[in-house]
Amino acid sequence: QQPVQSPQAVILREGEDAVINCSSSKALYSVHWYRQKHGEAPVFLMILLKGGEQKGHDKISASFNEKKQQSSLYLTASQLSYSGTYFCGTVAYGGATNKLIFGTGTLLAVQP
Amino acid sequence: GAGVSQSPRYKVAKRGQDVALRCDPISGHVSLFWYQQALGQGPEFLTYFQNEAQLDKSGLPSDRFFAERPEGSVSTLKIQRTQQEDSAVYLCASSSLRDLYNSPLHFGNGTRLTVT
Repeated sequence: QQPVQSPQAVILREGEDAVINCSSSKALYSVHWYRQKHGEAPVFLMILLKGGEQKGHDKISASFNEKKQQSSLYLTASQLSYSGTYFCGTVAYGGATNKLIFGTGTLLAVQP
Repeated sequence: GAGVSQSPRYKVAKRGQDVALRCDPISGHVSLFWYQQALGQGPEFLTYFQNEAQLDKSGLPSDRFFAERPEGSVSTLKIQRTQQEDSAVYLCASSSLRDLYNSPLHFGNGTRLTVT
């Protein structure tokens, strides 16, 4: 039931781009994305809704393929501050719309 | 404004002790959630409150875990007779709306529980 993220980890140089993928086995209402730095709280980045609406971050983009139950997060021109673990969270049909199930996580390290 | 506040930040308990973890959500937030996060893993849902009502406790691992939010604001997660497998970071989150499909979660910094 837990969404699967890929890759598990990625190392970038400053200025490089990265794509993080999230795949669910369930039909989804929406997908959330959060970033968590070591020892800190997860921080909200973006929500993608069924029908294409997005709410969130100016410098990060994402897509949501409702038919494939997949979402991708696009980090362009990465900065050192982008380092952390990225989690997708899904709200699924057939379950409670007040339950967010988090994915397996992707560790991103941006080096100078 | 103030974010979600959790206390204590760190807790060490001997196996068999009871512990209580506190969460102060963002003022006015209707929904409050508890998650458990093991090292290197994503947060796992424990329980959910809408105001003072506990609407979902399906993620609580055993009957040793108990949560309450008696006045619809501050919440306490209690773990009785702690076991080593309870060691984790316990995250509290709140949301301004009842449904999460279009409303973000705001997390506290968590309580790191270590059971020795």
